[in-house]
Amino acid sequence: EPEVTQTPSHQVTQMGQEVILRCVPISNHLYFYWYRQILGQKVEFLVSFYNNEISEKSEIFDDQFSVERPDGSNFTLKIRSTKLEDSAMYFCASSKRTGNQPQHFGDGTRLSIL
Amino acid sequence: GDSVTQMEGPVTLSEEAFLTINCTYTATGYPSLFWYVQYPGEGLQLLLKATKADDKGSNKGFEATYRKETTSFHLEKGSVQVSDSAVYFCALESDYKLSFGAGTTVTVRA
Repeated sequence: EPEVTQTPSHQVTQMGQEVILRCVPISNHLYFYWYRQILGQKVEFLVSFYNNEISEKSEIFDDQFSVERPDGSNFTLKIRSTKLEDSAMYFCASSKRTGNQPQHFGDGTRLSIL
Repeated sequence: GDSVTQMEGPVTLSEEAFLTINCTYTATGYPSLFWYVQYPGEGLQLLLKATKADDKGSNKGFEATYRKETTSFHLEKGSVQVSDSAVYFCALESDYKLSFGAGTTVTVRA
């Protein structure tokens, strides 16, 4: 069964550094998403992406965040100048479309900011 | 905004016991509803879904019915196994995003 894959599984970065989290969505999916889960808290929506544009973003997704689909297979989340509070598990997801087509998640990248 | 409230855990059960995890939601319109499961060390996996009122989602012995009148989507399983130990998340989808509940940790003892 096709899967969403995320790399790396764990990223350790110094505060203030840039980090790029990578995802390969399921190949015939059109909608892409990033979520994060701070330890002990809810899974929170960050951003959705369709047709090379952001469809929706949350208040968390401020100017330090950006997303890109640089080629036909990858979907990336960039955090420009990381802060301690960015430490979390970041999940990528994809779906064929919204509504009754479910989102399929990767195993996540654990981001640790020192 | 849209939100999901689910039963706080942790929940500890013996094998073959009955499991219920309560989930209620607040939303404008008619969202799709989902249960996701997260096994230790893994990502979120779709367990089941329902897209309209009175739909029943089912998978691996788990069931949940979309109840518009009570805005609920409670998860049930009649006889749990040790392998069902995981964190369970209720979620709704609207406006291109999922809103999750806090998650309920379930531990099943042999």
